[in-house]
Amino acid sequence: NAGVTQTPKFQVLKTGQSMTLQCAQDMNHEYMSWYRQDPGMGLRLIHYSVGAGITDQGEVPNGYNVSRSTTEDFPLRLLSAAPSQTSVYFCASRRLPSGTYEQYFGPGTRLTVT
Amino acid sequence: DAKTTQPPSMDCAEGRAANLPCNHSTISGNEYVYWYRQIHSQGPQYIIHGLKNNETNEMASLIITEDRKSSTLILPHATLRDTAVYYCIVRVGNDYKLSFGAGTTVTVRA
Repeated sequence: NAGVTQTPKFQVLKTGQSMTLQCAQDMNHEYMSWYRQDPGMGLRLIHYSVGAGITDQGEVPNGYNVSRSTTEDFPLRLLSAAPSQTSVYFCASRRLPSGTYEQYFGPGTRLTVT
Repeated sequence: DAKTTQPPSMDCAEGRAANLPCNHSTISGNEYVYWYRQIHSQGPQYIIHGLKNNETNEMASLIITEDRKSSTLILPHATLRDTAVYYCIVRVGNDYKLSFGAGTTVTVRA
């Protein structure tokens, strides 16, 4: 299994540009989520999904859109990039239902908005 | 949701046990204690979790006090590769919104 994969690894955008961060998992996990991590901070939840066609907001959803058309993929769209969105973005997945909380994380996408 | 308190940083000598404390005095009966770690620039990695009983796996041991108001993660023989940020999280098991605070930065020194 490749686990959770993310592309691209690095991205530089200009203010106002849009782009999609890709996330895929091959573990057949129902739950997928996106986090952002600013320098020296913990991870903050942006959006999550509990299955194909079902998404919901986390702590910091503004400026981001998600959709889940398949179990495997959960792309994150930045609609109009702002410097405040400069961060490292992590995608994660886990099995549902689950009495445990073992989430599997991808390697991250490092985004800089100038 | 129960809040957690961890020291911002700690040092540990290589080969010695590292004991990482976490306070969660407002924990409720159905909330689990989870530990993750994040090695520099990588995605977080699950370590261990527990509800009431002490737990051990190949990575670490988790000791939860009888009143469940605090816990300790033990890395029995710390190596340089254990240098990381360690996060203590308290959540209901089926909660969809897992968030990470600042954690404890652990530096293992040779």
